[in-house]
Amino acid sequence: QVAESGGGLIQPGGSLRLSCAASGFLVTSNHMSWVRQAPGKGLEWVSVLYNSGTTYHADSVKGRFAVSRDSSKNTFSLQMNSLRAEDTAVYFCARAVRAAGGMFYMDVWGKGTTVTVSS
Amino acid sequence: DIQLSQSPPIVSASLGDRVTITCRASQGIEMWLAWYQQKPGKAPKLLISGASALESGVPSRFSGSGSGTQFTLTINSLQPDDFATYYCQHYSTHPITFGQGTRLDI
Repeated sequence: QVAESGGGLIQPGGSLRLSCAASGFLVTSNHMSWVRQAPGKGLEWVSVLYNSGTTYHADSVKGRFAVSRDSSKNTFSLQMNSLRAEDTAVYFCARAVRAAGGMFYMDVWGKGTTVTVSS
Repeated sequence: DIQLSQSPPIVSASLGDRVTITCRASQGIEMWLAWYQQKPGKAPKLLISGASALESGVPSRFSGSGSGTQFTLTINSLQPDDFATYYCQHYSTHPITFGQGTRLDI
């Protein structure tokens, strides 16, 4: 399973770091992803970190968000900079399963952590 | 980006009913499609991958079908636990995207 932490209220332009603690599997051996859900809206993929170290981000966060992992703590993190009101959402951490075609779906999800960007 | 369009946005049904939700892709995605169930305030739960492969532990009343651009999620004999929002997600190319969701109401 995975469990997110680090959410909170942040002013526009600020930075926040979300953390995802994994148990039962190693983040370094798996692919990990962040998905967010704005209030009352659907799911939006944010970022992925493949076990190779390669990362991809949605266009909406490219250049502002970064992902990383800490093997000693078995955690996966999302560093969010230059936050905007439209980044307000529940952020879910999930283990990604990479298919033969190269892309992925998510099979283990955390309960989410809420990020509110507001002055 | 590949767009996924789910229909209907909301479906009302009763216990024991059979319900079908459709997901249409803006271009062919072979069978690279997953379905998730989400209840209010909870994380999404993976139901189906590869368009039709049921995840372990998911009741057999759930089934998925389709390929290319049209996919369906069918739920037979609706149970109280099934009332939730359902999302499709493609994993054909970057970026992965989700459908807008279908809410299943009593």
